[in-house]
Amino acid sequence: GDSVTQMEGPVTLSEEAFLTINCTYTATGYPSLFWYVQYPGEGLQLLLKATKADDKGSNKGFEATYRKETTSFHLEKGSVQVSDSAVYFCALSEDSSYKLIFGSGTRLLVRP
Amino acid sequence: DTAVSQTPKYLVTQMGNDKSIKCEQNLGHDTMYWYKQDSKKFLKIMFSYNNKELIINETVPNRFSPKSPDKAHLNLHINSLELGDSAVYFCASSQDGRSNQPQHFGDGTRLSIL
Repeated sequence: GDSVTQMEGPVTLSEEAFLTINCTYTATGYPSLFWYVQYPGEGLQLLLKATKADDKGSNKGFEATYRKETTSFHLEKGSVQVSDSAVYFCALSEDSSYKLIFGSGTRLLVRP
Repeated sequence: DTAVSQTPKYLVTQMGNDKSIKCEQNLGHDTMYWYKQDSKKFLKIMFSYNNKELIINETVPNRFSPKSPDKAHLNLHINSLELGDSAVYFCASSQDGRSNQPQHFGDGTRLSIL
């Protein structure tokens, strides 16, 4: 079945460091790919999405490119801030599946 | 205005009790969902509804019974609560079931079974 694999956390960085969180997926069709962020005590917020191969999603300085050849959707940010500390989830959705399949989440801690 | 709202935010109860969680969305979406997040933060789909009709029941015990009185509401009733039901339950909605539509999540209901 479909699945999403994320790098294990926690990832600890200093402010202004470069961030990469790896995400790879397995899917039978052509899924849409998402990154969601969960701040402590809150629900999930959509960070960015890409719906077809070579699409780049971007938001708030975060970027991810849908790479079909490597089945990857790695999240990057050039300069992280303390306020970016949260848990990040990679997810996929296949057409007409009526569900998101999530990775296990990666906790990011940014130190001042 | 909160787009997807769940109540209550916290629920502490004893094993064997019955409890309900309510969810409402004001986005005009057709599709609603329940997800369970366990203690390791892993998220898994439980149910999906489209226009009040059940689409997915992801091998959830029949102690869990969702109800959708209209397409803006999806409530979750749980009978005979067990220790393993302790988790955070998230309601979500999307415009429709197409894969490219993002899902909008509520803030979650933290259920603790004593």
